[in-house]
Amino acid sequence: QLQLQESGPGLVKSSETLSLTCTVSGGSVSSSGYYGAWIRQPPGKGLEFIVNIYYSGTTYYNPSLRSRVSVSLDRSKNQFSLKMTSMTAADTAVYYCARALRDTSGAWGFPHWGQGTLVTVSS
Amino acid sequence: SYELTQPPSVSVSPGQTARITCSGDALSEQYVYWYQQKSGQAPVLVIDKDSERPAGIPERFSGSSSGTIVTLTISGSQAEDEADYYCQSIDNSGPYPVFGGGTKLTVL
Repeated sequence: QLQLQESGPGLVKSSETLSLTCTVSGGSVSSSGYYGAWIRQPPGKGLEFIVNIYYSGTTYYNPSLRSRVSVSLDRSKNQFSLKMTSMTAADTAVYYCARALRDTSGAWGFPHWGQGTLVTVSS
Repeated sequence: SYELTQPPSVSVSPGQTARITCSGDALSEQYVYWYQQKSGQAPVLVIDKDSERPAGIPERFSGSSSGTIVTLTISGSQAEDEADYYCQSIDNSGPYPVFGGGTKLTVL
């Protein structure tokens, strides 16, 4: 059973950089076809895609966040990580990591999610 | 940017059929996924690729597609189905995944 677990600080200061890690168990981020994803949800609002990373390292960004976001794989630890710079109060959200699967139409679905971690940006 | 449009809320009586729609200009060319999110929990995939039901999802959940509108149907709605539901597809300009704004289903 694939499981994902987010880790990182729950509180980040305004203008600083957020770093989150997703640890995967029951599967390998190095497996052919594996996509890891970061998705966030501000309190009381909807879901917003941030970035996908393929097992090869290829990335797909939400263009509205691309300038502030980077993502990486750590195959030795079976993890993938998110960095988001210049954090503001608008970035306060629950951040989820997920496994994505890409279908024949080119769309991705997210069958497996972590429990999510709340990140609050303080001034 | 590409948008998926959902009604903000849908209400249904227990045992009745709930239908939640999702519209988008390119949905006739792309698969759509549906997620259920209960309060304080992570989303759960309930419909895969327009109409497939993942393992463990009750048979009362079904999906259909007609042109640029896709529909999540919950037949015989139960109190436990009360949740937020999100459709999701992709913006081909990226490409990157996009979510609809979500629909709050109330069963009362």
